[in-house]
Amino acid sequence: DAKTTQPTSMDCAEGRAANLPCNHSTISGNEYVYWYRQIHSQGPQYIIHGLKNNETNEMASLIITEDRKSSTLILPHATLRDTAVYYCIVRPHSGGGADGLTFGKGTHLIIQP
Amino acid sequence: DTAVSQTPKYLVTQMGNDKSIKCEQNLGHDTMYWYKQDSKKFLKIMFSYNNKELIINETVPNRFSPKSPDKAHLNLHINSLELGDSAVYFCASSQASGREFFGPGTRLTVL
Repeated sequence: DAKTTQPTSMDCAEGRAANLPCNHSTISGNEYVYWYRQIHSQGPQYIIHGLKNNETNEMASLIITEDRKSSTLILPHATLRDTAVYYCIVRPHSGGGADGLTFGKGTHLIIQP
Repeated sequence: DTAVSQTPKYLVTQMGNDKSIKCEQNLGHDTMYWYKQDSKKFLKIMFSYNNKELIINETVPNRFSPKSPDKAHLNLHINSLELGDSAVYFCASSQASGREFFGPGTRLTVL
């Protein structure tokens, strides 16, 4: 079972920042927070991951609370192509591991023109 | 070049048939996976495999079997197909970084 809780759906205006929350109150000390997204009819796509520090890459920023019980994925300037289901996943370590990903229901983010 | 590719993209077949879905990755990764996405859009791991071990999700029927002819390929064989096997199947691969790269999916329809 997924160890995360996310809102079922969210709307965001095009050009604005999209902030997607995720609760993971039972996260263990060695577990990372990963974000993936699935655009309609495509395979899931990796976005970003982090352990306890905030992270930023070309796609998004990840803000993790100090107690690590929740996090927020930020898409700084959302476009229509960002409409997708976003999955927050916790998993042990970021080095290898053949246990795969445990997906929850995710958040369906709809970017409005 | 496509990192993770799957063939076929669509597969329509009759109940009781045996079919295979092929997966290839050109990323040099040492671990490959198969996931199933059902009609309710739930994504679930079926198998993970590297050159050392096969990890099977205990809920997967033994009619499903992964076959790896080499490190770059992990094919999915399905025997005696059932209506409930209709789904989208995704192949993925990863290396030590833990990031998984997914293929485009194969939509299987069992009639």
